[in-house]
Amino acid sequence: DAKTTQPTSMDCAEGRAANLPCNHSTISGNEYVYWYRQIHSQGPQYIIHGLKNNETNEMASLIITEDRKSSTLILPHATLRDTAVYYCIVKYYGGSQGNLIFGKGTKLSVKP
Amino acid sequence: GAVVSQHPSWVICKSGTSVKIECRSLDFQATTMFWYRQFPKQSLMLMATSNEGSKATYEQGVEKDKFLINHASLTLSTLTVTSAHPEDSSFYICSAIEGAGDGYTFGSGTRLTVV
Repeated sequence: DAKTTQPTSMDCAEGRAANLPCNHSTISGNEYVYWYRQIHSQGPQYIIHGLKNNETNEMASLIITEDRKSSTLILPHATLRDTAVYYCIVKYYGGSQGNLIFGKGTKLSVKP
Repeated sequence: GAVVSQHPSWVICKSGTSVKIECRSLDFQATTMFWYRQFPKQSLMLMATSNEGSKATYEQGVEKDKFLINHASLTLSTLTVTSAHPEDSSFYICSAIEGAGDGYTFGSGTRLTVV
């Protein structure tokens, strides 16, 4: 699977949008971009995933560049509960395509 | 949505004893389950992939005789840490997927402390 690069940490003011970037310049044509987050001492939580179109759900929006070499996860109105480590993962779709490989992620700190 | 229950959430055991961690898919059948280990301030590292009815596949460097995995049913996988030592103290997390789908659901994790 392609590797990703994320900033080590980011801060965001409560109520503001949090924009978390991810570089995946070696992504293959059929690989998806997944975002998970891990709140301290809990299991990871699925946020969103996409192939090439922008995606939005109740948690976040995912913006993928046209060349698919990078993406941005947007939390529109960050709250203190959004403080977590956010992982950007690239893999082929489907459980038969293997497990999720976690990098170091971005530690997002939402501050009051 | 899909729910994975992991038990216990934390356990303290004496060095040399064995500990069993359970991972259950509550509302779906999990043909594949994954076991991860996470040391403090580090990312999740895959230990093994567990398929129902067959032997688990272990990642390089993970001792299969020490970390016994059993996936006897479509809703339950267990990880047994045998002859635990302090260096096995870690956060263990399971994940499950349903069939050929793509929804990886994670358990809440088990904090193991070996004293």
